[in-house]
Amino acid sequence: GAVVSQHPSWVICKSGTSVKIECRSLDFQATTMFWYRQFPKQSLMLMATSNEGSKATYEQGVEKDKFLINHASLTLSTLTVTSAHPEDSSFYICSARDGRKSNQPQHFGDGTRLSIL
Amino acid sequence: DAKTTQPPSMDCAEGRAANLPCNHSTISGNEYVYWYRQIHSQGPQYIIHGLKNNETNEMASLIITEDRKSSTLILPHATLRDTAVYYCIVIGGTSYGKLTFGQGTILTVHP
Repeated sequence: GAVVSQHPSWVICKSGTSVKIECRSLDFQATTMFWYRQFPKQSLMLMATSNEGSKATYEQGVEKDKFLINHASLTLSTLTVTSAHPEDSSFYICSARDGRKSNQPQHFGDGTRLSIL
Repeated sequence: DAKTTQPPSMDCAEGRAANLPCNHSTISGNEYVYWYRQIHSQGPQYIIHGLKNNETNEMASLIITEDRKSSTLILPHATLRDTAVYYCIVIGGTSYGKLTFGQGTILTVHP
């Protein structure tokens, strides 16, 4: 149980384009989803927290107009990297949890490796 | 949330128990200890969590000291596939589920 699917797993695109990443919880209702970014040889850094039906809460230093997050249903959240540039190249990972139950762990997707040329 | 301290790396022989320590001396009463691991180029995988009692599941055991200032994750029979970065994270009710990842422990299981 507790499967989180992330798509695509790998994307390469030209500078200036926008890229959408999907995160789905397959067997539970994800009231809260989180988006992380991981650069090579570094740990995961939380970018934003999204609750179903609400606006996302972004961590300090993360541009909300550049990283658009939508969490319109209990099973799907999307991250759109707008006007991507080479410095946005990274490993993006989502996680999800059922916040209605106490002390439930987050479950992670397998990540999306984004390369901007 | 309380800060955690883990050794940067550890080695373990295949088939032996891997014991990964974590210090969390500033943990407060309502904070849980969570363990995740990340195998190269994958998303983190949840392993186990606990409050004050020892916990065991199909993957591992978690031993929390009586004063809760430290804990040990035990992989009873390590395999090569257990080679990963292991993260110990303390999280409480006021953090709204946000996980703060440190540098973790790189566990290398060798034949």
